Amino acid sequence: KNEVEQSPQNLTAQEGEFITINCSYSVGISALHWLQQHPGGGIVSLFMLSSGKKKHGRLIATINIQEKHSSLHITASHPRDSAVYICAVPPRYNTDKLIFGTGTRLQVFP
Amino acid sequence: DTGVSQDPRHKITKRGQNVTFRCDPISEHNRLYWYRQTLGQGPEFLTYFQNEAQLEKSRLLSDRFSAERPKGSFSTLEIQRTEQGDSAMYLCASSHIEGLAGRKEQFFGPGTRLTVL
Repeated sequence: KNEVEQSPQNLTAQEGEFITINCSYSVGISALHWLQQHPGGGIVSLFMLSSGKKKHGRLIATINIQEKHSSLHITASHPRDSAVYICAVPPRYNTDKLIFGTGTRLQVFP
Repeated sequence: DTGVSQDPRHKITKRGQNVTFRCDPISEHNRLYWYRQTLGQGPEFLTYFQNEAQLEKSRLLSDRFSAERPKGSFSTLEIQRTEQGDSAMYLCASSHIEGLAGRKEQFFGPGTRLTVL
């Protein structure tokens, strides 16, 4: 079992739909990262959160530390949201490295 | 551009050759990370530095791999005697940590795509 698992692996949506991507982890962490990767490889950090909920524009991230689960929501999805979304966690409290999920490939069609 | 930069962006080499990649972090960042990503997978941790000190290395970093950050600014990752299995995207990230201030967001570079023929 992977230490960080994401679902679904692939997701297609029509423009305007509400999107949810889930991340479950089995290691102890202090903060979880959500990242976006576009074709060509560049990675952009979307959120780093350790409790509760964060919002940035149409993106919302939530985390439940007790259940070791986080969700990334996209409201009013748009074709430009098409990308791979990756969650990542530090595997221990005394390290700064990240271990990553395999990503969720999102395609939003007009 | 004040983001993380990597050079080259693409490298094609023949098996057995040595390659070196460079990463320039955001200037005030004291931590620098190297990750490797193969097709269809999430990135995997290779190593990270605080200033010039290499703090942690993954078991993935075999004897053929070496990373340096000699002046605590830019870093190089060298792969000796490349193998086809080394083909991947090599990603660099940086962050700034102060004392016990806790973890900070990591900023990623565009990556170097290595193809070993």
